This record gives sequence, C-alpha cells and structure tokens, in this order.
Amino acid sequence: QKEVEQNSGPLSVPEGAIASLNCTYSDRVSQSFFWYRQYSGKSPELIMSIYSNGDKEDGRFTAQLNKASQYVSLLIRDSQPSDSATYLCAVRTNAGKSTFGDGTTLTVKP
Amino acid sequence: GAGVSQSPSNKVTEKGKDVELRCDPISGHTALYWYRQSLGQGLEFLIYFQGNSAPDKSGLPSDRFSAERTGGSVSTLTIQRTQQEDSAVYLCASSKGGQYNSPLHFGNGTRLTVT
Repeated sequence: QKEVEQNSGPLSVPEGAIASLNCTYSDRVSQSFFWYRQYSGKSPELIMSIYSNGDKEDGRFTAQLNKASQYVSLLIRDSQPSDSATYLCAVRTNAGKSTFGDGTTLTVKP
Repeated sequence: GAGVSQSPSNKVTEKGKDVELRCDPISGHTALYWYRQSLGQGLEFLIYFQGNSAPDKSGLPSDRFSAERTGGSVSTLTIQRTQQEDSAVYLCASSKGGQYNSPLHFGNGTRLTVT
C-alpha cells in the first residue's frame, strides 16, 4: 500500500462545475496535509493546507480532513479552464518528512 | 533569496559520468528536501535535511546517489556513474522546518538527461 494514494485520473469537468479530488494516507501520526497544484512543465505550488478535522475554505477551494478515516479532499467550485493541472496531495509526519501522492490530472473543459 | 534556486536548470550527460545538482534554499529555511519526478509521474522522495543532518535518507535509490548540506544552507545532490534511468526532473524544496504547518517551497528543478 502506498503511503499516500490519490484517486486515479484523469478527471474532466465542465467549466463552472465542482471538481472533487480525494486522497487517503496510511500513517496515522501524520500531522499536516497540503494540496499542491502543478502545471505542465512547472514546479508544484501550494494551494491549501489543513491540520484539523473539518473543512477549510479559501475562495473557490475547500479542503476537507477526516483523520479517523485518514482521508483528505479538495473541492474546487466554479471550475475554470485555468484550474486544469495536476493536483498533488502531500502528507507530513511529525518527523518532518513530506510524502506526495502520484497526483490527479484535472481538465476543465470550456 | 526570494525563492529556492536550483542549478543547472538543464543537464545533459553521458551514461557513466558523475553529475552534481545544486540547491540554494530560501534564507532562514532549515529544512531542505530533494525529490525526483519522472515524466508523467508523481514526486519520489529522495532525502530530507534538517539543518546539516539528514534524518531520512530512505528514498535514495542506490549508493550512486548521495547528498550533503553545508552551513545549513546550500545542498548538493551527487549522482555517480549515471544511468539512463536517472533521467528525470530533480526538484528541491525548503521549508521553515520544525513547524508542522510550514509548507514546502519548490525550486524550478533540474532536468537531467542521461544519453
């Protein structure tokens, strides 16, 4: 089992729809959870971070964390073509190591 | 500096040669990470530094790979006797370290091609 698993893509949604990206992790002592966006040929950039159970909203983005289920998700509302990218889930342990999932590629069609 | 700086941005080398990749983290960031990303794949963890020490070297693929960090700042990743399967983008990231809520800031990467 991989340490961090993301729902296999690619994911395609129409413009204006909600895109839902999911991630599960295996290490129960994980403390911090991050979502990064990576455009083709570019480096990952931070979108959201979440540390406590529940929802965290930032503009069109909402991160959800459920530590009991070892599950973290990212919702993108009113999806735009510019949101088309690969989304990486990252999990950080107490020891400081950050492990990434393989990513989910999202395409938003106009 | 303003961001994480990596050099060179591109490196083409012949199979069997040694290469050195450099990473200059954001000033004040004590944690430094190396990842490898092959085309169309996710980020593969290589090594993590806290200060000058490496608590986790578990991701280094073989003994041909080594990394060091001096002065709690610049890090060098060395690949000896390169192989074609080493071809990938090598990403360096830094964070404030010791703080669970400190995200990673990535450099632009070094694209390594082994011919």
